[in-house]
Amino acid sequence: GDSVTQMEGPVTLSEEAFLTINCTYTATGYPSLFWYVQYPGEGLQLLLKATKADDKGSNKGFEATYRKETTSFHLEKGSVQVSDSAVYFCALRSFSGGYNKLIFGAGTRLAVHP
Amino acid sequence: DVKVTQSSRYLVKRTGEKVFLECVQDMDHENMFWYRQDPGLGLRLIYFSYDVKMKEKGDIPEGYSVSREKKERFSLILESASTNQTSMYLCASSAAGGETRSNQPQHFGDGTRLSIL
Repeated sequence: GDSVTQMEGPVTLSEEAFLTINCTYTATGYPSLFWYVQYPGEGLQLLLKATKADDKGSNKGFEATYRKETTSFHLEKGSVQVSDSAVYFCALRSFSGGYNKLIFGAGTRLAVHP
Repeated sequence: DVKVTQSSRYLVKRTGEKVFLECVQDMDHENMFWYRQDPGLGLRLIYFSYDVKMKEKGDIPEGYSVSREKKERFSLILESASTNQTSMYLCASSAAGGETRSNQPQHFGDGTRLSIL
């Protein structure tokens, strides 16, 4: 079945460092891809999305490009801030059994230090 | 903004109790979802609903049931709570979307951290 694999955390960075969180997927067809973020004590929020190959999603300085050839959707940010400390989830939209569902990766915790 | 409200942030119950987790959304969304979140496992779908009085099993429905009597409210029920159901439970909602509308985002509540003793 469809699945999402993320790099294990925690990822610990200093402020202004470059961030990459790897995400690869297995799916039939051309699923939409998402990054969600969960700040401490809160639910998940949609960070960015891409719906077809070579699309680049971006928001709040974060970017991810839908790479069909490598089945990847890596999250990047050029200069992280302490306020970016959170858990990041990669997800794909899977259509099976007649319904759309989100399939989530295990999540990657990011800790940014001043 | 979409608001998804879960009735409790923290809940402690005993083994064997019947537990109700409530979720309400204010955007007239057709779709509602219940997930559990566990370290290293991400979010796993328990049940979902695409319409009032309609429910579908997700990936891990065993030990759970749901109720959707009104469009805005989706309840998760633990029929007889067990310690392995200690977890963070997240409710989400989204606008209707079939295969051709695959980019409708899900909006999440803040979660209920449930402990079963």
